[in-house]
Amino acid sequence: DTGVSQNPRHKITKRGQNVTFRCDPISEHNRLYWYRQTLGQGPEFLTYFQNEAQLEKSRLLSDRFSAERPKGSFSTLEIQRTEQGDSAMYLCASSLSGFTDTQYFGPGTRLTVL
Amino acid sequence: AQSVTQPDIHITVSEGASLELRCNYSYGATPYLFWYVQSPGQGLQLLLKYFSGDTLVQGIKGFEAEFKRSQSSFNLRKPSVHWSDAAEYFCAVGLTGTASKLTFGTGTRLQVTL
Repeated sequence: DTGVSQNPRHKITKRGQNVTFRCDPISEHNRLYWYRQTLGQGPEFLTYFQNEAQLEKSRLLSDRFSAERPKGSFSTLEIQRTEQGDSAMYLCASSLSGFTDTQYFGPGTRLTVL
Repeated sequence: AQSVTQPDIHITVSEGASLELRCNYSYGATPYLFWYVQSPGQGLQLLLKYFSGDTLVQGIKGFEAEFKRSQSSFNLRKPSVHWSDAAEYFCAVGLTGTASKLTFGTGTRLQVTL
């Protein structure tokens, strides 16, 4: 069990550019979640996958955001035409699919939009 | 919609002193309740969780929490704080019947003085 990994750990980009983040969950976990955490706040749910199916999306996930999990393993989160308000820590978590299964979090990707 | 309130933004305690971090939730049914800890540069780590049964829950690192339905609270306690406990602590709620997303509080930053 190597834990949840996220790449890159830090990303600095200019406003209007596109960025993509990757999350590798714990290998046997079939649920994968994305959260966003801004300074001084708790994480906010963005979306989650059961295997390759995206089952829920938050209203926070605007049309500029897209997430995929093509083979039910790793996932990518893309932000198009970044805005300064997108600056945040993007957290990925994974779990088994039982109702009470714990979500294990990765270290996050910190995005700074200049 | 469910919500979580952590009324204390910042708490300072002396090493060896006892600790209580407050968490209140708003949800119509019995929620799933969690406490996570976040250290700088680290992902969120689960301290403990409550789903049902005994309302006093034991976690890792000597932490415990008590679910009080009448007060809609799930306060975190530790009898003797260590300097390494300095971190940000988040209370979170999950919906009964699904573990698809967590709603987090805004966090309490714990500072430990020697």
